[in-house]
Amino acid sequence: ETGVTQTPRHLVMGMTNKKSLKCEQHLGHNAMYWYKQSAKKPLELMFVYSLEERVENNSVPSRFSPECPNSSHLFLHLHTLQPEDSALYLCASSQEDYQTTGELFFGEGSRLTVL
Amino acid sequence: KQEVTQIPAALSVPEGENLVLNCSFTDSAIYNLQWFRQDPGKGLTSLLLIQSSQREQTSGRLNASLDKSSGRSTLYIAASQPGDSATYLCAVRQDSGYSTLTFGKGTMLLVSP
Repeated sequence: ETGVTQTPRHLVMGMTNKKSLKCEQHLGHNAMYWYKQSAKKPLELMFVYSLEERVENNSVPSRFSPECPNSSHLFLHLHTLQPEDSALYLCASSQEDYQTTGELFFGEGSRLTVL
Repeated sequence: KQEVTQIPAALSVPEGENLVLNCSFTDSAIYNLQWFRQDPGKGLTSLLLIQSSQREQTSGRLNASLDKSSGRSTLYIAASQPGDSATYLCAVRQDSGYSTLTFGKGTMLLVSP
């Protein structure tokens, strides 16, 4: 069982739908991340949350809205997406303090298709 | 801006061969470097992490080296097996605040029986 769980694993939505991706980490980490992976492109960092506070928004369009209600859960709310937003969305977590290496642990990803 | 390049983009080898995957980065002021494995349609699995003060890390048949001054890292896989077939990703971290990794595009490895 992975320490980072993402649901759903697959999602198909129309351009006018509203949906959400969910991530839960069971590792006791204090930082969580959303990454986007598109074909033939490197992984792109979207958002970083540290201790439930957003510390980075990497110029992501407002149609993607993150939410971090506690240190174990992270959501990505999707609204009015475009076909080019179709990608694999990966959640990750790490422990950030002076004693740790900050090794990143990923979930299995949510494959999003926008019609 | 940090850029990470992985060469080759794809590699096909027969089972049993030893192989080397390469990763280069443009800004040598890194905090650490992490190698990942990704199976098709799946998430990333962390293989090895090398701190900036370290030269190499080993796990089983895997050995990763780091030459920070030249901006290079290699992942050595000994006695390759078909189960090693996957995409291998290199990522560098610039600072100790939080893990804002810069990823390469990966090397797709196919090990044939």
